[in-house]
Amino acid sequence: GQNIDQPTEMTATEGAIVQINCTYQTSGFNGLFWYQQHAGEAPTFLSYNVLDGLEEKGRFSSFLSRSKGYSYLLLKELQMKDSASYLCAVISGGSYIPTFGRGTSLIVHP
Amino acid sequence: KAGVTQTPRYLIKTRGQQVTLSCSPISGHRSVSWYQQTPGQGLQFLFEYFSETQRNKGNFPGRFSGRQFSNSRSEMNVSTLELGDSALYLCASRETGGDGYTFGSGTRLTVV
Repeated sequence: GQNIDQPTEMTATEGAIVQINCTYQTSGFNGLFWYQQHAGEAPTFLSYNVLDGLEEKGRFSSFLSRSKGYSYLLLKELQMKDSASYLCAVISGGSYIPTFGRGTSLIVHP
Repeated sequence: KAGVTQTPRYLIKTRGQQVTLSCSPISGHRSVSWYQQTPGQGLQFLFEYFSETQRNKGNFPGRFSGRQFSNSRSEMNVSTLELGDSALYLCASRETGGDGYTFGSGTRLTVV
């Protein structure tokens, strides 16, 4: 099976930087997703990492280390609208079905 | 391009009843997956359909079933509803060879 761990909740200040970590244990790792989900809304795709390293997309960056079973999502210049749940999901084995962590609820305050 | 559409948005059912939820994927997306989301368990995979065939199945009892039609629209059915089935049911579609899944806004099911 797969085991995916994320912190349950984090708080940060508007304008700051926050790093949300995700660790996983799986066999046959294929890739890792990050999704953002605002309360009452659909999860929206943020990033997909297959290879080690950092991928940057505007204010959001995602990092992957396959050897350490570790990823993080970095959010810069935080805005109030970034308050949401951030979901880490791993694809492994022969199927392309993501297994999700329980999500990290990020609260951004003024 | 229209997104993933799920109907209805909200549903209240009584224990023992059955329910059918509908999902229309993005045009051209042939893979449709269903997830159950609860505060305690997060997103749990139910099943995936591709070209009208169930390709993968999660660890849910047989009361949970689904199907996919030739136009890629999908339905899931839950029979003999239990209080614990109260959850947000999310549908997601993916383009063949694509990376990410696009989720619908979900159906909020409340069993009383």
